[in-house]
Amino acid sequence: EPEVTQTPSHQVTQMGQEVILRCVPISNHLYFYWYRQILGQKVEFLVSFYNNEISEKSEIFDDQFSVERPDGSNFTLKIRSTKLEDSAMYFCASSEASGLVWLEQFFGPGTRLTVL
Amino acid sequence: AQSVSQHNHHVILSEAASLELGCNYSYGGTVNLFWYVQYPGQHLQLLLKYFSGDPLVKGIKGFEAEFIKSKFSFNLRKPSVQWSDTAEYFCAAAWAEYGNKLVFGAGTILRVKS
Repeated sequence: EPEVTQTPSHQVTQMGQEVILRCVPISNHLYFYWYRQILGQKVEFLVSFYNNEISEKSEIFDDQFSVERPDGSNFTLKIRSTKLEDSAMYFCASSEASGLVWLEQFFGPGTRLTVL
Repeated sequence: AQSVSQHNHHVILSEAASLELGCNYSYGGTVNLFWYVQYPGQHLQLLLKYFSGDPLVKGIKGFEAEFIKSKFSFNLRKPSVQWSDTAEYFCAAAWAEYGNKLVFGAGTILRVKS
């Protein structure tokens, strides 16, 4: 069964460093998402991406964050200068393009980001 | 703002007990509702979803949920739980006018004692 994959599973970085989290969505999916879950808190939407551009983003997704689909398979989330409060589990998800009909989002296993 | 609330953070049940996990969402409009499950060490997986039609939705592994519009609720039920149902359960909603983003509840950790 096709699945969303994410690398690395755990990333430790120093405050102020740039990190790139990588995701490989399911191959025929065209909508991509990033969510995050700070320990003990809810899973929160960060950004959605379709047709090579951001379709929606949350207040959390400020100028420190960016997303990219550098090739036909990867979808990345970059944090330019990490802060302590960026420590969280980051989930990638993908869904088929559907027009007005909402379709299931398939989630990856997550990348745990620890900022020291 | 759109929000989803789950009533219980931790639930402990014995095998064969019945399960009901509460979920409420913040307001009406065209809402799509979901229950996701995360088994220990695994991905978030979709248990069931409601888009429209029959308000009683059946999902995988014997789970069902009932959409009650007047109560803004979408409670998850299972008549008889098994030890393998031990997991974290997340209710989520997406509103048509707010795009495809999912708004999650805080999650309920279910532990089933064998």
